Amino acid sequence: LAKTTQPISMDSYEGQEVNITCSHNNIATNDYITWYQQFPSQGPRFIIQGYKTKVTNEVASLFIPADRKSSTLSLPRVSLSDTAVYYCLVLNYGGSQGNLIFGKGTKLSVKP
Amino acid sequence: SAVISQKPSRDICQRGTSLTIQCQVDSQVTMMFWYRQQPGQSLTLIATANQGSEATYESGFVIDKFPISRPNLTFSTLTVSNMSPEDSSIYLCSVRDRGGGEKLFFGSGTQLSVL
Repeated sequence: LAKTTQPISMDSYEGQEVNITCSHNNIATNDYITWYQQFPSQGPRFIIQGYKTKVTNEVASLFIPADRKSSTLSLPRVSLSDTAVYYCLVLNYGGSQGNLIFGKGTKLSVKP
Repeated sequence: SAVISQKPSRDICQRGTSLTIQCQVDSQVTMMFWYRQQPGQSLTLIATANQGSEATYESGFVIDKFPISRPNLTFSTLTVSNMSPEDSSIYLCSVRDRGGGEKLFFGSGTQLSVL
């Protein structure tokens, strides 16, 4: 199971772009990289998933270098409502496990 | 994406009692999971609940304390038995969806406080 490492916390201001990097050095060939957002007293919410290169959706972009040992979640023009904990997770394609190792996550605080 | 309903959303319970948490999914899913998230902490998997088989518990979690039912492909329950204040946590139901990749979807959680 791939272990992930993220910064514990980050601060930003409204309107700025925020980049959160996650390292997953022992990622396997069949692993997908997935990011979740969690607000207090709620379950984690899926944000974005990728395998390699760049993925973009209406919420965020995900950058994955060729060696796939790290990934960067990019949140454009954050607002106060983006204050949350962000988790990077590595999911094995075709696996049957739920014991995906949730790291401590990155607590993002967006200030006005 | 799967939509997961969890009940109750929160409860305050007395020491020594039990609470059953329900998880309903809007589609049939093979794999369902129960997680615990202690205050200020990350998520920890309690058990995997697949329909038609006994739940598989992770290290540190036992069936007598956290019995699980999985009667069909859209429903599961987790019971927290003989509660103590240390059981105060958020309990989350999750399903694995393989449509268009590999994703986990989570319910909104049950916030449990044990007095």
